[in-house]
Amino acid sequence: SQTIHQWPATLVQPVGSPLSLECTVEGTSNPNLYWYRQAAGRGLQLLFYSVGIGQISSEVPQNLSASRPQDRQFILSSKKLLLSDSGFYLCAWSSGTNTFSNQPQHFGDGTRLSIL
Amino acid sequence: DAKTTQPPSMDCAEGRAANLPCNHSTISGNEYVYWYRQIHSQGPQYIIHGLKNNETNEMASLIITEDRKSSTLILPHATLRDTAVYYCIVRVAGVTDSWGKLQFGAGTQVVVTP
Repeated sequence: SQTIHQWPATLVQPVGSPLSLECTVEGTSNPNLYWYRQAAGRGLQLLFYSVGIGQISSEVPQNLSASRPQDRQFILSSKKLLLSDSGFYLCAWSSGTNTFSNQPQHFGDGTRLSIL
Repeated sequence: DAKTTQPPSMDCAEGRAANLPCNHSTISGNEYVYWYRQIHSQGPQYIIHGLKNNETNEMASLIITEDRKSSTLILPHATLRDTAVYYCIVRVAGVTDSWGKLQFGAGTQVVVTP
């Protein structure tokens, strides 16, 4: 069966520090991968999506970047964190058989990021 | 993608069926209905999805009206662990300029009581 792992589960970082969040998927090949952010009391906002190695698309311009160095690895990064980057970051995957088919997205347990 | 309307909250007694309504009156012919739930401090969990036929899996049943303007998620025997926010989402399948993103609304806070 397929599983998705995110780490760390929680992170406290000072303003201006760098960030690296990692997500890996097991049990499937060539998945579509997504990074979402959920601000406190609000809905999910899609940040990035990827249909293959090295292929990244951004939903909104921001202080963050994403990379996909391997088929089942998705990394969210920042060179300098802002206070507004605080939130709950979620990685998700879906079957890549047909790009954005009706197959559902499956989420990891998320990383809760606090910026001080 | 079409928008959905859900009641903000509902209570359900443990062991009873929970029926969660969702209105999606502007749904298009190629849009699927998805249900997710989010337990506090966890990532959203996929429950079920469908296009026009009723669907059932080990977690729940999805009943879609014939005109597809509304649907109901049924949890057959609610347990305390089913307490969560439930989201009804409609999304078009296939390649779109929305990159397959899921747009979560406010959802329904379901509280299962003993």
